Amino acid sequence: EAGVAQSPRYKIIEKRQSVAFWCNPISGHATLYWYQQILGQGPKLLIQFQNNGVVDDSQLPKDRFSAERLKGVDSTLKIQPAKLEDSAVYLCASSLDRGGNYGYTFGSGTRLTVV
Amino acid sequence: LAKTTQPISMDSYEGQEVNITCSHNNIATNDYITWYQQFPSQGPRFIIQGYKTKVTNEVASLFIPADRKSSTLSLPRVSLSDTAVYYCLVGDATSGSARQLTFGSGTQLTVLP
Repeated sequence: EAGVAQSPRYKIIEKRQSVAFWCNPISGHATLYWYQQILGQGPKLLIQFQNNGVVDDSQLPKDRFSAERLKGVDSTLKIQPAKLEDSAVYLCASSLDRGGNYGYTFGSGTRLTVV
Repeated sequence: LAKTTQPISMDSYEGQEVNITCSHNNIATNDYITWYQQFPSQGPRFIIQGYKTKVTNEVASLFIPADRKSSTLSLPRVSLSDTAVYYCLVGDATSGSARQLTFGSGTQLTVLP
């Protein structure tokens, strides 16, 4: 079974620039999550999708972050404009059911460095 | 949301059994306990999930006492490749909201030769 695919693997941008990350979940997984992981901390949920609808985006900084999941499969997360404190690993995960009863499957993440 | 407390770090030697305990005093009736493992430059990987008593799979065992206020992840005969960060999550896995399952800072397990 193919895992959760994310790209790019690494990205370096200057502050105030924009950046986008892409995620392709495991086939058949209706629920998709984006997490932000700052160095030395555990992942923090940014947004949760069920198919192409948003379940929870309460922790997404909406003034600069946006995410979409067109057609209920692939998803993109965008930051515009980026700040230094956005430097982190952005993880995408998917699960078979909405509650994650059997755990989430994570991708390897995109490491973003804002300089 | 249930708060969890884990040791920041643990050291062990190859071949030993490792037990990592997680404290969750305010666990709710509908909450499950889930453990993840994370290697450097990778996303977390689901290890095991349980509600009460004992759960075992091919990777680990999870022990949950009757009061459910703590849980212990047991890794039998660890090897160098088990060096990783281990996260304990407590939340209602049936709620449909991932915000119920919050990652803490985890336990850095270092396995020494």
